[in-house]
Order: sequence, then C-alpha cells, then structure tokens
Amino acid sequence: NAGVTQTPKFQVLKTGQSMTLQCAQDMNHNSMYWYRQDPGMGLRLIYYSASEGTTDKGEVPNGYNVSRLNKREFSLRLESAAPSQTSVYFCASSGDKGLAGEQYFGPGTRLTVT
Amino acid sequence: GEDVEQSLFLSVREGDSSVINCTYTDSSSTYLYWYKQEPGAGLQLLTYIFSNMDMKQDQRLTVLLNKKDKHLSLRIADTQTGDSAIYFCADTNTGFQKLVFGTGTRLLVSP
Repeated sequence: NAGVTQTPKFQVLKTGQSMTLQCAQDMNHNSMYWYRQDPGMGLRLIYYSASEGTTDKGEVPNGYNVSRLNKREFSLRLESAAPSQTSVYFCASSGDKGLAGEQYFGPGTRLTVT
Repeated sequence: GEDVEQSLFLSVREGDSSVINCTYTDSSSTYLYWYKQEPGAGLQLLTYIFSNMDMKQDQRLTVLLNKKDKHLSLRIADTQTGDSAIYFCADTNTGFQKLVFGTGTRLLVSP
C-alpha cells in the first residue's frame, strides 16, 4: 500500500499561472481533504470531499477549485496563482471504518508563487 | 467558528518530560487528537482521547483532558531526539468528517 500520494513534491509558479496538484489514495477511503500549512497558522482546510461525486468548501476555499475524479483521486487546481498561495499543501483521506477523525496524510507539495 | 490554540515552541533536553498544551472552544467535541509531523513529512495520528475520559496512557505518552477548562495536554516521558517534530492537537466537528487543527507546537529535543 502506497497510502496517500501527491504530485508534484515541489513547484515554483509565476503570479497568474495555473496548475493542478494531484492526490491519490489506495485505501478505499470515502473522504478526502486538501489542506494548506502556513507557519504559525497550523493546517487550514481548503476543500473536502465526503464521497465520490461530492465536494464542499472548507475554511479557505477562495482561489482554488477541486475535482473528485473517482474514489481514488482528488485534485486541487489553482487557476491564477497569487503570492499569498505560497504554502505547503497536504492531501489526506479517511475511511468510514475505524476511528472517526483519523486521517491519513500525503507527503505534501511545497508551492512557491513569485 | 471553532478555535484550537497551542503554544508555538517547546525546547527540552533528552531524557526530560515534555508537556504540550492545547485549548479548544467546541464543548461538543467527542474525540480529541494529537498528530505528529516529522520534518518534511505529512501528519500522522499519534494518539487520541474520547471526551468522557480524563486521561489516557499509551507507553511514553499520556494525554490529559480537562473538559471544564477545555484544556488538553500531551506528556511525553523520557523525551528522545527522535521526538523532535511538530505536534498538532485537533478537534472533530459534530459531523466527524472534518478536523480543526491547532497551530502546532514545534518540539526541539537537545542531547
């Protein structure tokens, strides 16, 4: 089991460019999440998907879009990158069985917008 | 909205005990969690406590919960250099699907 994988690991964008962060999980989990991590601010939820075909906004959705392509994959798109979106982005997933609130995290994507 | 707060930094010597503190605002919390983030990695669940418990012990880890004061702590006994990481407390909302994370406490263990 690879768990949760994310691509790319690092990315540098210029202001106004677009990109898609990819996430996949092989644990047959229903729920998937995108977070951003900024110094002194912890993790903030951008979007989540409770099941295939559904997505909902989290705490900081502005400037992002998501697609739950299938049960395995959940992508995050920046349509027009801004320096304020410089951050480390984490994808996570969780299942219906086991401990509620146990989320499995990917290794992160470090994004710099210049 | 719900708020979870932690101090940002803690430094201890190897072999000492570490205590990381967290306060939260949601009185309906059912579970509270501690996650650990090692350098360059994602978060990993370390331990958790059910809201009707006061204490939970798991090897070197002790979690204390004071529901009245909405205060959660994580004690690491005999702290090792490998324990150096960022520790996040987290709370679930009533739907269980979303976690609210604290700001994280960076623990530095010196030899």
